[in-house]
Amino acid sequence: DIQMTQSPSSLSASVGDRVTITCRASQDIRNDLGWYQQKPGKAPKRLIYAASTLQSGVPSRFSGSGSGTEFTLTISSLQPEDFATYYCLQHNSFPQTFGQGTKVDIK
Amino acid sequence: QVQLVESGGDVVQSGRTLRLSCAASGIIFRNYGMHWVRQAPGKGLEWVAIIWYDGGKKYYADSVKGRFTISKDNSKNTLYLHMNSLRDEDTAMYYCATSNPGTSIDYWGQGTLVTVSS
Repeated sequence: DIQMTQSPSSLSASVGDRVTITCRASQDIRNDLGWYQQKPGKAPKRLIYAASTLQSGVPSRFSGSGSGTEFTLTISSLQPEDFATYYCLQHNSFPQTFGQGTKVDIK
Repeated sequence: QVQLVESGGDVVQSGRTLRLSCAASGIIFRNYGMHWVRQAPGKGLEWVAIIWYDGGKKYYADSVKGRFTISKDNSKNTLYLHMNSLRDEDTAMYYCATSNPGTSIDYWGQGTLVTVSS
């Protein structure tokens, strides 16, 4: 099984900050990765697919990069509505696997 | 718009059986692969199972293999998860979700809660 190691597990940031979250895959997954945002009590929402393609309707302050084993989600200027938990998901092989999540809260 | 509505969640004793359903609308259901993903209280997301658009292939997480069965009825636009031999650690919110072939999960339902108590 492919392991997805996500870091950090949590971070505190202020509105306007640039935030970077990383996922590392235990083996090459090409660009078969999505990023998701989840708010308390809600279902996850896809932000990025194919590692770097922005989901329709998602603000352009979100961006994804990487391929192979190293991936990054960047929020260029954190907004109040961005405080949430973020997950990566690899779909290169089964079982599909999520990262452990990164909780972004207010500093 | 795409709507996925899960049902069937309940409080059950360990060792018992439960079937979850997910009714889909707003998509051509027969063209979509479907997933179940779960989230234990206060924990992260765990991928559970996928079924191919035509039901031809199915894959499972190791934690549920041999106990859970995913199926879909394209005539009813409905996805199912049959859960046997339930354990305390199966307690979670269960989400159904869609994906196009070769892409990551896109649409999600709002979830149905399964509580297993011994």
